[in-house]
Amino acid sequence: GENVEQHPSTLSVQEGDSAVIKCTYSDSASNYFPWYKQELGKRPQLIIDIRSNVGEKKDQRIAVTLNKTAKHFSLHITETQPEDSAVYFCAAPWGSGNTGKLIFGQGTTLQVKP
Amino acid sequence: DTAVSQTPKYLVTQMGNDKSIKCEQNLGHDTMYWYKQDSKKFLKIMFSYNNKELIINETVPNRFSPKSPDKAHLNLHINSLELGDSAVYFCASSFTQGVTEAFFGQGTRLTVV
Repeated sequence: GENVEQHPSTLSVQEGDSAVIKCTYSDSASNYFPWYKQELGKRPQLIIDIRSNVGEKKDQRIAVTLNKTAKHFSLHITETQPEDSAVYFCAAPWGSGNTGKLIFGQGTTLQVKP
Repeated sequence: DTAVSQTPKYLVTQMGNDKSIKCEQNLGHDTMYWYKQDSKKFLKIMFSYNNKELIINETVPNRFSPKSPDKAHLNLHINSLELGDSAVYFCASSFTQGVTEAFFGQGTRLTVV
């Protein structure tokens, strides 16, 4: 069924360390994989996304990798800073065409300790 | 110049009441959504509209009724509110259904007492 599994649910790292969050999806037709960051009391905002025709995408300190065969994708944050502390959500589309919908993972609460 | 705006930001109401949340986007997007975020932060899609047409209607109680007067607006009306309806409701919009960036409103924190 439609499902996006996200791990870990919580992650605590020391400032400057790297953080990795992993997601697994179930729909093999999925072709778009966004990551959203939600700060406390704020709205989710897109930080990076990747399409199925590439295996990796980088934007400064954040990167996303995609393994279509295994149906999983990961968010990598390097040189973490306290302002990276937030809840991070992965998502993947379920269904196709006009009825496609974005299914979100359960979220990962990242705490970066100064 | 808020891209997706929803009102009100906070809503406290008694069980059994009827309430509405309004949403407007000025991005020119064709697709709009309502998401519910529960106390565990889980984001679940409720409804999706494409150009005023209902596309996705998840297993949501029929006390929830979305209305899209035009493609820039998607309102959510909730009848006979229950304690379990307490959550943060997010409106969002995207250029196309499901496979492009979703822009979220600031959320409406609904508390039913």
